[in-house]
Amino acid sequence: KAGVTQTPRYLIKTRGQQVTLSCSPISGHRSVSWYQQTPGQGLQFLFEYFSETQRNKGNFPGRFSGRQFSNSRSEMNVSTLELGDSALYLCASSHGGTTPYEQYFGPGTRLTVT
Amino acid sequence: DAKTTQPNSMESNEEEPVHLPCNHSTISGTDYIHWYRQLPSQGPEYVIHGLTSNVNNRMASLAIAEDRKSSTLILHRATLRDAAVYYCILRDVAGQGAQKLVFGQGTRLTINP
Repeated sequence: KAGVTQTPRYLIKTRGQQVTLSCSPISGHRSVSWYQQTPGQGLQFLFEYFSETQRNKGNFPGRFSGRQFSNSRSEMNVSTLELGDSALYLCASSHGGTTPYEQYFGPGTRLTVT
Repeated sequence: DAKTTQPNSMESNEEEPVHLPCNHSTISGTDYIHWYRQLPSQGPEYVIHGLTSNVNNRMASLAIAEDRKSSTLILHRATLRDAAVYYCILRDVAGQGAQKLVFGQGTRLTINP
């Protein structure tokens, strides 16, 4: 079974621009979650999508948004980039539901904002 | 979100057992205890989870205190590949937040050859 894939792996953007990151979950997984990892704040939950609906959201400004498609692939978008948005963005997929299924993480997209 | 407390760092020798502690005194009845680890330059990787009873899998064992206020991840025979940051996470599966993982700072495990 193929793992979680994220594209692109590396990205350099300028402050004020917007960016879209993509995540393809493991086949059969319906839940996709996004996390931001920075040296200062560690791993922080952004949001989770299940069956094309945002089911849970972390404490991030509205500049961070996402969506999920009918094939469970997900994208996250960050508008009006700030220097502080430089981070590793990770997505994770799971079966979803209220059972403690493990989450499988992708390798991440390293975003650098200059 | 219920919180966990872990030591910032630990060190062990190759081929020796490692016991990674985690305190979670505010754990609720519907919280599962999960462990993930993050190797350098990789995304986190699931290790093990449990609710009340001790658990074993091919990677590790999880020992849960009787009052569930603490747990210990046991690596039976550490290898250099086990050097990583280990996260102890509580997951409340009762509701919409079931998929939300709240990561703390974790324990950075160093393995000496």
